[in-house]
Amino acid sequence: EPEVTQTPSHQVTQMGQEVILRCVPISNHLYFYWYRQILGQKVEFLVSFYNNEISEKSEIFDDQFSVERPDGSNFTLKIRSTKLEDSAMYFCASTVGGEQFFGPGTRLTVL
Amino acid sequence: AQKITQTQPGMFVQEKEAVTLDCTYDTSDPSYGLFWYKQPSSGEMIFLIYQGSYDQQNATEGRYSLNFQKARKSANLVISASQLGDSAMYFCAMREEYTGNQFYFGTGTSLTVIP
Repeated sequence: EPEVTQTPSHQVTQMGQEVILRCVPISNHLYFYWYRQILGQKVEFLVSFYNNEISEKSEIFDDQFSVERPDGSNFTLKIRSTKLEDSAMYFCASTVGGEQFFGPGTRLTVL
Repeated sequence: AQKITQTQPGMFVQEKEAVTLDCTYDTSDPSYGLFWYKQPSSGEMIFLIYQGSYDQQNATEGRYSLNFQKARKSANLVISASQLGDSAMYFCAMREEYTGNQFYFGTGTSLTVIP
């Protein structure tokens, strides 16, 4: 069964460093998303991506964040200069029709 | 106002019994979708069920059914014949389809199935 994959599963970085989180959505899906979940809290929408451009973004998704689909399969989230409060689980998701499937997540720890 | 409200932070149910997890939503968008996800302690988000705002019938997927009451803006998840493996966090979510392709999640309900 097709699934969304994410790499790495866990990333540890120093504050101020850039990180790139990678996702491979399900191949026939059209909409892609990034979410974050701070430990013990609810899932928060970051950004949606359709037709190679950002469709919607939340107020969390500031200039420190960017997304790309560089090669038609990978979907990346870049955080330019990480802050302590960026520590969270980051989920990628993709959608076709009424079903949205999440990847297993990347746990980002900023020290 | 919260887009998605889940008022039950924690719920307990006896194994093999049915349980209802509450979810209310707030939108003025005429077209929207409602989702339920399960998040076990391992952390992954597992899609359970989807209900479109124009769907006439309540969605069902195996032991999961969605009790959709549009006038009351509620989308409760019913799990029948609970199993120990159902113990997890459950999140209700909504996507508004005209005002932007953004998802809103509730704060979740922690379900514990008691043997």
